[in-house]
Amino acid sequence: AQTVTQSQPEMSVQEAETVTLSCTYDTSESDYYLFWYKQPPSRQMILVIRQEAYKQQNATENRFSVNFQKAAKSFSLKISDSQLGDAAMYFCAYRSGGGGADGLTFGKGTHLIIQP
Amino acid sequence: DGGITQSPKYLFRKEGQNVTLSCEQNLNHDAMYWYRQDPGQGLRLIYYSQIVNDFQKGDIAEGYSVSREKKESFPLTVTSAQKNPTAFYLCASKGRGRVANVLTFGAGSRLTVL
Repeated sequence: AQTVTQSQPEMSVQEAETVTLSCTYDTSESDYYLFWYKQPPSRQMILVIRQEAYKQQNATENRFSVNFQKAAKSFSLKISDSQLGDAAMYFCAYRSGGGGADGLTFGKGTHLIIQP
Repeated sequence: DGGITQSPKYLFRKEGQNVTLSCEQNLNHDAMYWYRQDPGQGLRLIYYSQIVNDFQKGDIAEGYSVSREKKESFPLTVTSAQKNPTAFYLCASKGRGRVANVLTFGAGSRLTVL
């Protein structure tokens, strides 16, 4: 079974600074997807960014980017120019490749605090 | 707008009672999922369904039951057999195929056992 580990229960960053959230995973598969979801106080889960394992290029979405190290099984999220609205729980997630209906395996989350 | 609707948002239950959480989607998605969220535990998969009239147990299915009689609906029943049902429950759905592999979530239901 796959596992996802987020080693930072809580992170704090000054507004406008850059922060990196860590995620490692364990799998024997070669075809899979990785995701970062954001859960603000409203508790609505919002997709931040996703990465296909077969793509070497790191995914980027505006101020959010990932550092995907497949050999090391590491998938960190970098948030640049942090804003107050970035404050939330961030979850790293994994799912197997292909078109099946298998659900996501989530890490336990990192609580991100933005200090004004 | 397409999306997932969960109801009720808040629910209180006495011990020994069954309760059903509703999940409806108008995204025309084939697959639907139920997750449970506890503080410090992340999200854990309860049940999922790929098509109508078919569903599979997830990692923590004991004490829960589901049905999938319509493509749009995937209700979750928390039975009296669930020892610690107080939690936040999230429903999600996913389109078919490799490209549409992103889960879309509802706003969740908070269940409290009194």
